[in-house]
Amino acid sequence: GAVVSQHPSWVICKSGTSVKIECRSLDFQATTMFWYRQFPKQSLMLMATSNEGSKATYEQGVEKDKFLINHASLTLSTLTVTSAHPEDSSFYICSAPSGSLTEAFFGQGTRLTVV
Amino acid sequence: AQSVTQLDSHVSVSEGTPVLLRCNYSSSYSPSLFWYVQHPNKGLQLLLKYTSAATLVKGINGFEAEFKKSETSFHLTKPSAHMSDAAEYFCALMDSSYKLIFGSGTRLLVRP
Repeated sequence: GAVVSQHPSWVICKSGTSVKIECRSLDFQATTMFWYRQFPKQSLMLMATSNEGSKATYEQGVEKDKFLINHASLTLSTLTVTSAHPEDSSFYICSAPSGSLTEAFFGQGTRLTVV
Repeated sequence: AQSVTQLDSHVSVSEGTPVLLRCNYSSSYSPSLFWYVQHPNKGLQLLLKYTSAATLVKGINGFEAEFKKSETSFHLTKPSAHMSDAAEYFCALMDSSYKLIFGSGTRLLVRP
């Protein structure tokens, strides 16, 4: 089946620094990718929709200047957490819909810890 | 608006006994529905999906789910639980923009 690769799988950063997370579709093209955030013992909440060649669409309550999304190619979307703070510590997961648009493929997730 | 409700936050079963994880949905159209499993600090693994074909869907690891439109339900079942089934399970609905709306999750505990 199709594979979505997310990198890094975990990262620890200092408060105030920025962290970039990559999401790649390895064997298919994805004009759209989705970024989710999952706090401990909670469900996945959609943060934003990443659109190749255009601006991302953010869900209500998500700061677009803090969570920068770039989708420069059909196989790569990046999420940059800028000026990270401890409350940004979370599990971030990307996904891309299949070519038939009947299911979603998920990356492995990134555990971000801000200290 | 579409939504997904997982009725139990925790389910505890003994190894070898049946598993039932409940999911109800709300949608203005016939949705695509999914069950995912997540082990600690891992991504999501697709167990099965319903996309308007057969209402009884068989998935991996012996899981299956039945789509019941009249009850707006998509409950996940397995005849005999295994210790390795202990994990978090998410029911999800795909909306018209192809993004997934997740339920709150059900933690399955399997007692030896």
